[in-house]
Amino acid sequence: QVQLVESGGGVVQPGRSLRLSCAASGFIFSSYGMHWVRQAPGKGLEWVAVIWYDGSKKYYADSVKGRFTISRDNSKNTLYLQMNSLRAEDTAVYSCATYYGSGSPYGLDVWGQGTTVTVSS
Amino acid sequence: QSALTQPASVSGSPGQSITISCTGTSSDVGSYNLVSWYQQHPGKAPKLMIYEGSKRPSGVSNRFSGSKSGNTASLTISGLQAEDEADYYCCSYGGSSTFEVVFGGGTKLTVL
Repeated sequence: QVQLVESGGGVVQPGRSLRLSCAASGFIFSSYGMHWVRQAPGKGLEWVAVIWYDGSKKYYADSVKGRFTISRDNSKNTLYLQMNSLRAEDTAVYSCATYYGSGSPYGLDVWGQGTTVTVSS
Repeated sequence: QSALTQPASVSGSPGQSITISCTGTSSDVGSYNLVSWYQQHPGKAPKLMIYEGSKRPSGVSNRFSGSKSGNTASLTISGLQAEDEADYYCCSYGGSSTFEVVFGGGTKLTVL
């Protein structure tokens, strides 16, 4: 079945780096744009970044621009999020998402369960 | 990229209808019919309920409907059921020169 599985989260000190991965299965990964969305403890959803199906375009939220980099390896069906210069406010559950079923880039109907990132000294 | 504005909470009794508003600006909600709505139960991943303003994904009950007027989008749930109790988030796409995605702050729906 269509599935997204995130990994790579953990506890990291402020200023350090972390790379998250999102393994996709059950659909043609290389045909779909992919998003990262995060949710801080007890807070709402916050969009982080998007990458086009072929990696040709990437866009970021202002809060992470210049610090985070989204990328993908279509040969490995895997999405990445490189997070540098981490701050306490980056603490959240990070989820990848895409629009396989809706057929519309503006409706994310496939979500992973998320991986937790905690930034703390 | 300012968050869309949603009421913090709404409530209704089983069988009733409720509406959740989502207010943006002329740069996002007002300019594009690309608002989506997500339902999230505690500890679960968000579930797409409405996309492109008023379209329902396959499998989503027709009790859920979306609309827009000016800079405000709305999600209406009719015939409230206990399992509808959840957090609801609106989301809009926008940006004339770049691709921007913004979520609302979320609305907690309580079924009395």
